[in-house]
Amino acid sequence: DVKVTQSSRYLVKRTGEKVFLECVQDMDHENMFWYRQDPGLGLRLIYFSYDVKMKEKGDIPEGYSVSREKKERFSLILESASTNQTSMYLCASSTQQGVKTFGSGTRLTVV
Amino acid sequence: DQQVKQNSPSLSVQEGRISILNCDYTNSMFDYFLWYKKYPAEGPTFLISISSIKDKNEDGRFTVFLNKSAKHLSLHIVPSQPGDSAVYFCAATPTSGTYKYIFGTGTRLKVLA
Repeated sequence: DVKVTQSSRYLVKRTGEKVFLECVQDMDHENMFWYRQDPGLGLRLIYFSYDVKMKEKGDIPEGYSVSREKKERFSLILESASTNQTSMYLCASSTQQGVKTFGSGTRLTVV
Repeated sequence: DQQVKQNSPSLSVQEGRISILNCDYTNSMFDYFLWYKKYPAEGPTFLISISSIKDKNEDGRFTVFLNKSAKHLSLHIVPSQPGDSAVYFCAATPTSGTYKYIFGTGTRLKVLA
């Protein structure tokens, strides 16, 4: 059974902290994605990666960076967390032409 | 600029009846459409998709209809079951590639037993 695993289900961080959200997939997918989900706004793409060490900005990249050192792992980094980054973060992966498989999400609260 | 719109934030339906979830889009370059279902505290799971060369796709109790001229798609669930209670997101992709899904804002479906 294909799997996308996000390391934390819930996180509480302080304003200004550097935050790492980790995602691992076991399907050998080329593409990996980070979304955030907010009420009334749906899912919005933050960053995606189509290969190791390759990345492209999504629709809302400001305040975030990413790292993909290995094919199976895609990390989202909040350089200096702010309260407006409180959200549900969803990682996904896919083949080049396939549908996305999502992880269970990380609910991040920045206080 | 919301390119994919789900104008009904919520919908309640009696068990056994039909649920119809609607989605409108504005970009005529979209050529592939998907529906995802999301339970609380879980990630979205893929439900059904349709290519723009078709106007209907069916999978068990779930059918997606596409009206290209109206830029409208709908998801029909027949018969609705309490386990179908979830948030449903439609998504669209442009012809330039399938990686960039544009998601709607979601519709929360509640199926009443």
